[in-house]
Amino acid sequence: EAQVTQNPRYLITVTGKKLTVTCSQNMNHEYMSWYRQDPGLGLRQIYYSMNVEVTDKGDVPEGYKVSRKEKRNFPLILESPSPNQTSLYFCASSLGMRDGKAFFGQGTRLTVV
Amino acid sequence: GESVGLHLPTLSVQEGDNSIINCAYSNSASDYFIWYKQESGKGPQFIIDIRSNMDKRQGQRVTVLLNKTVKHLSLQIAATQPGDSAVYFCAENMVGTNAGKSTFGDGTTLTVKP
Repeated sequence: EAQVTQNPRYLITVTGKKLTVTCSQNMNHEYMSWYRQDPGLGLRQIYYSMNVEVTDKGDVPEGYKVSRKEKRNFPLILESPSPNQTSLYFCASSLGMRDGKAFFGQGTRLTVV
Repeated sequence: GESVGLHLPTLSVQEGDNSIINCAYSNSASDYFIWYKQESGKGPQFIIDIRSNMDKRQGQRVTVLLNKTVKHLSLQIAATQPGDSAVYFCAENMVGTNAGKSTFGDGTTLTVKP
């Protein structure tokens, strides 16, 4: 089954404790992206990757890192999480940037206390 | 001047009626637009897309209209059903130096009354 898998689905952590949210897709997609979704602010793009070893900043990259060492994986790293990073996070993938049939993961609800 | 539909954060329609959801986009450099549907507790799901060299595109029960002059998109859902109740987002994808960037609109919550 074609899918984007995020882990974990839920996470509560403390300020400053490094964490990684994993994202994996099984569709051989080139384009992957991370978004955060906050009430009243919609979905905002954090980072995206057009292909392996190619990553770029979206609209809200501060406080986040990503890597794309393999085509299928695109982890999101919070080196020192802060409470303002409490949010619902989505990973997405598509064949290419101009192929709108993006598949989204189920989301990761992160709470930083 | 030409009038366009306003973006509404919520829309309530009767089952069987047609729905129109509007979206204004901001960047003239955007050349690719997508509509997504997000049901409660789930990630967004692709509905339909349109490229900037088109004015209209039809899918199954859905039609997207693009007005580049006033930077406006609309999603029309025919014969709306209770299963269409969700939040609908438009997204614009950019080209040029910002190729790969994707910006989402604020979303419209559609409620279908039986």
